[in-house]
Amino acid sequence: EVQLVQSGAEVKKPGESLRISCKASGYRFTSHWIGWVRQMPGKGLEWMGIIYPGDSETRYSPSFQGQVTISADKSITTAYLQWSSLKASDTAMYYCARLETGYVGDYWGQGTLVTVSS
Amino acid sequence: SYELTQPPSVSVSPGQTASITCSGDKLGDKYVCWYQQKPGQSPVLVIYQDSKRSSGIPERFSGSNSGNTATLTISGTQAMDEADYYCQAWDSSTGVFGAGTKVTVL
Repeated sequence: EVQLVQSGAEVKKPGESLRISCKASGYRFTSHWIGWVRQMPGKGLEWMGIIYPGDSETRYSPSFQGQVTISADKSITTAYLQWSSLKASDTAMYYCARLETGYVGDYWGQGTLVTVSS
Repeated sequence: SYELTQPPSVSVSPGQTASITCSGDKLGDKYVCWYQQKPGQSPVLVIYQDSKRSSGIPERFSGSNSGNTATLTISGTQAMDEADYYCQAWDSSTGVFGAGTKVTVL
């Protein structure tokens, strides 16, 4: 059974760093892209970027290039999304999704709520 | 940057047909997928490659894509179909979502 289990909710202050995780199981981790999606409170979905764990090729959406870093550790089948300096505007729910052929998000994690407040 | 336009809301009576449109420049040249999201839940893939139903999705959901418009159709809409629906396509290796359509079953 394919599962993506994300790390728990985080409360941070502006300027702090953060890394959230997405633990994959039930399939060959290195053979599927994984993507990260942001959903700000009461708003829609936004693709942030994708990573291919097989070779760590990473592609960022223009709006998120330079703002976050996506990585993966294939030894523990886990993908990451990290910030070096959080802003209040980073407050959102973040989802990871496995991408099937054609970059279709067929399995999704449960989401990680990140709250950034002073 | 590429944009997808959806109506903010669609209302439908139980048992009737709901149609949700998604418009974008030459959208018919791209593959479109549709996600359903209920409050407090993660998105669920409903339709991919324009018209293929994801595993476990009822037959009342169907999709099409031609020209500049993709359409998600829910035939015989049920109360459980009340949710936000997002269309999505890829443009130059960048994923783009529509703003979402709230389907209300009255």
